[in-house]
Amino acid sequence: GAVVSQHPSWVICKSGTSVKIECRSLDFQATTMFWYRQFPKQSLMLMATSNEGSKATYEQGVEKDKFLINHASLTLSTLTVTSAHPEDSSFYICSARGTGTGDSYEQYFGPGTRLTVT
Amino acid sequence: GQNIDQPTEMTATEGAIVQINCTYQTSGFNGLFWYQQHAGEAPTFLSYNVLDGLEEKGRFSSFLSRSKGYSYLLLKELQMKDSASYLCAVMDSNYQLIWGAGTKLIIKP
Repeated sequence: GAVVSQHPSWVICKSGTSVKIECRSLDFQATTMFWYRQFPKQSLMLMATSNEGSKATYEQGVEKDKFLINHASLTLSTLTVTSAHPEDSSFYICSARGTGTGDSYEQYFGPGTRLTVT
Repeated sequence: GQNIDQPTEMTATEGAIVQINCTYQTSGFNGLFWYQQHAGEAPTFLSYNVLDGLEEKGRFSSFLSRSKGYSYLLLKELQMKDSASYLCAVMDSNYQLIWGAGTKLIIKP
């Protein structure tokens, strides 16, 4: 149980275009979803936290107009990278926490999306 | 500020035992997690400690001392597949995870 999927697994896009990444909780209701970014050989960096039906809370230094997050349902959150630039190339990982997954506040991670901007 | 410290890299031999330490200073504490992350993949959950003491789960054990702000992950009977990064994360008073930079574990035959 507690499976999180991400789509796409990898994407290559041209500079200036926008890319949408989907994160789905497959067998539980994700009341909270987290979006992380990870550059090579670095740890996870939390970008934003979103609760279903409300606006996302962005971490300091993360541009909310560039990284649009929508958490419209208890099973789906999307991250849209707008006007992507090569420096946005990274590994984007979502995680979810919710009801029916136990009491440990464990976050369940999706498999990640590798974005390359050319 | 909030801080999680763990060694950058460790090397161990197949079949041996290795202990990865993690020290933390956070605003509040609601538990400590250990995750395993293979290169190019997302983290996978290993353990969760919220009370002091040792939690054993197969070849992996995790220890917590809240008074010392200290945890360790103990890996026994090391296998080549255990080569990965091990991430320590603390859940603060806002139930946000604060992540360490990770320890890259290299297993040699």
